[in-house]
Amino acid sequence: EAGVTQFPSHSVIEKGQTVTLRCDPISGHDNLYWYRRVMGKEIKFLLHFVKESKQDESGMPNNRFLAERTGGTYSTLKVQPAELEDSGVYFCASSQVTGGSGNTIYFGEGSWLTVV
Amino acid sequence: EDQVTQSPEALRLQEGESSSLNCSYTVSGLRGLFWYRQDPGKGPEFLFTLYSAGEEKEKERLKATLTKKESFLHITAPKPEDSATYLCAVHRNTGKLIFGQGTTLQVKP
Repeated sequence: EAGVTQFPSHSVIEKGQTVTLRCDPISGHDNLYWYRRVMGKEIKFLLHFVKESKQDESGMPNNRFLAERTGGTYSTLKVQPAELEDSGVYFCASSQVTGGSGNTIYFGEGSWLTVV
Repeated sequence: EDQVTQSPEALRLQEGESSSLNCSYTVSGLRGLFWYRQDPGKGPEFLFTLYSAGEEKEKERLKATLTKKESFLHITAPKPEDSATYLCAVHRNTGKLIFGQGTTLQVKP
């Protein structure tokens, strides 16, 4: 069974440019999450989809970040325009159930973003 | 405010030298505590979920335990391939994980 897949694995862009990250969750997982780790900090939550609906977007840093999950399958995270402080690794994760016992959250390998 | 603190930040062990990693947490409405392993350049790899105080889970040389305030990841007779960063995260019923900074373990042969 395929795990959570993310694309691109690495991206280097100039300040002011746009980058779109894609995540394909594990098949059948309704829950999809985006997390981010910036240099020297812990992994932090960005947002949570249940199917195509945004359940919680409290971690999105500002309106330069836009996440979508059309049709409740794959998701994209767009950063426009990118700033230097957006550099870091963006992780996508998915799970079958939202909370309680039996919920295992699986992570992808991450998309490493460098803004220069 | 929800908080997760891991200690130590870094740990160097000789092969075969057992030790424990600590994860202290304060969270309202804990629905589970997760342990992940992360290798350089990779994503977090799921190890365990613990749901209630007193619960223990084992996998090979790793054993995770949970109390009302902290969790321990015990590593028995570690091998060099156990070298990695170990992440602890608390899970709220909204689905959100709150991570600690991680403990970077190095096991020397």
